[in-house]
Amino acid sequence: GAVVSQHPSWVICKSGTSVKIECRSLDFQATTMFWYRQFPKQSLMLMATSNEGSKATYEQGVEKDKFLINHASLTLSTLTVTSAHPEDSSFYICSAPSPSTVEQFFGPGTRLTVL
Amino acid sequence: DAKTTQPTSMDCAEGRAANLPCNHSTISGNEYVYWYRQIHSQGPQYIIHGLKNNETNEMASLIITEDRKSSTLILPHATLRDTAVYYCIVGSGGATNKLIFGTGTLLAVQP
Repeated sequence: GAVVSQHPSWVICKSGTSVKIECRSLDFQATTMFWYRQFPKQSLMLMATSNEGSKATYEQGVEKDKFLINHASLTLSTLTVTSAHPEDSSFYICSAPSPSTVEQFFGPGTRLTVL
Repeated sequence: DAKTTQPTSMDCAEGRAANLPCNHSTISGNEYVYWYRQIHSQGPQYIIHGLKNNETNEMASLIITEDRKSSTLILPHATLRDTAVYYCIVGSGGATNKLIFGTGTLLAVQP
């Protein structure tokens, strides 16, 4: 099946720094991608919809100035956590819908730890 | 909010069938039922989806009731590697299909 990759798989950063996470669709194009966040022992929470060539659409309660999303090409979306704080430590997961079926493919996730 | 409800946890003996129920009483006519599972610290893995008819693939079977208000995922011969959180999700498909995850069912396969 189609593959979605994320980079890095894990990252540790200092409080106040910014971290960029990449999401790539490896063998298909995606006009939209989705970003999720998952805290320990909780379910995935949808953060935003990444739209190729236009602004991302954020879910209620998600700060768009803190979580910057750029979907610059049909195979790449990036999520930048700006001025990260310890409470931003989480598992970040992206997904992309199949262009030919109703399936959606998820990346392996990125573990962010902010010290 | 998620449009599905699932039991919080279930146990299953290794080698036996695991039957995971899901209620989606407010599902719309054009919405699919998707099942994903998540093994600890990994991204969700697609299992199966269906619209009206029952579906089967190499991983599982999906039984959807005639009124489409509930469904059951069946793993025919559970193994220890099937221990995971299983999510039942409804969605319309397509590029703008936002999948909203509920709490899922933690399936523990016992040796």
